[in-house]
Amino acid sequence: DIQMTQSPSSLSASVGDRVTITCRASQGIRDDLGWYQHKPGKAPERLIYAASNLQSGVPSRFSGSGSGTEFTLTISSLQPEDFATYYCLQHNSYPWTFGQGTKVEIK
Amino acid sequence: EVQLAESGGGLVKPGGSLRLSCRVSGFTFDSYTMNWVRQAPGEGLEWISSISGTGTYKSYAGSVKGRFTISRDNARNSVYLQMNSLRAEDRAVYYCARGVIDYWGQGTLVTVSS
Repeated sequence: DIQMTQSPSSLSASVGDRVTITCRASQGIRDDLGWYQHKPGKAPERLIYAASNLQSGVPSRFSGSGSGTEFTLTISSLQPEDFATYYCLQHNSYPWTFGQGTKVEIK
Repeated sequence: EVQLAESGGGLVKPGGSLRLSCRVSGFTFDSYTMNWVRQAPGEGLEWISSISGTGTYKSYAGSVKGRFTISRDNARNSVYLQMNSLRAEDRAVYYCARGVIDYWGQGTLVTVSS
């Protein structure tokens, strides 16, 4: 199975900060990776697909990069509505696996 | 508009069974792999099963393999999750999701308790 190691598990940041979240795959997954935002009581929402492509309707302050085993989600200027938990997901091979999540909290 | 709506969650005793359903609309259902993902209380997201568009290919997470069965009815635009031998640790919100997980339903809560 492919393990996805996501870091950090949580972070505190202020509105306007630049935030970076990383996922590392235990083996190469090309660009078969998505990033998701999840708020309590709501369905998760995909932000990025194929590692670096912005989902339609998602603000441009979100960006993704990487390929192979190292991936990054960046929020260029954190907004109040961005406080949530973020997950990566590899869909290169079954079983698909999520990272452990990163909870972004208000400083 | 793409829509997914889960149903069938509820309270069940350990060792019991439950069948979840997900009815979809707004896209050509049989063109997409469909998935079930869950989130236990206080935990992260866990992919648990996928089924190909024709229903031929199925995959499961190790945590549910042999206990859960995914199926679909393309005439009814629906995907199902039959859950048997339920355990306390299966307690979670269960989501259905489309394709390489671009759209999600709102989820249905399964509670396993005596």
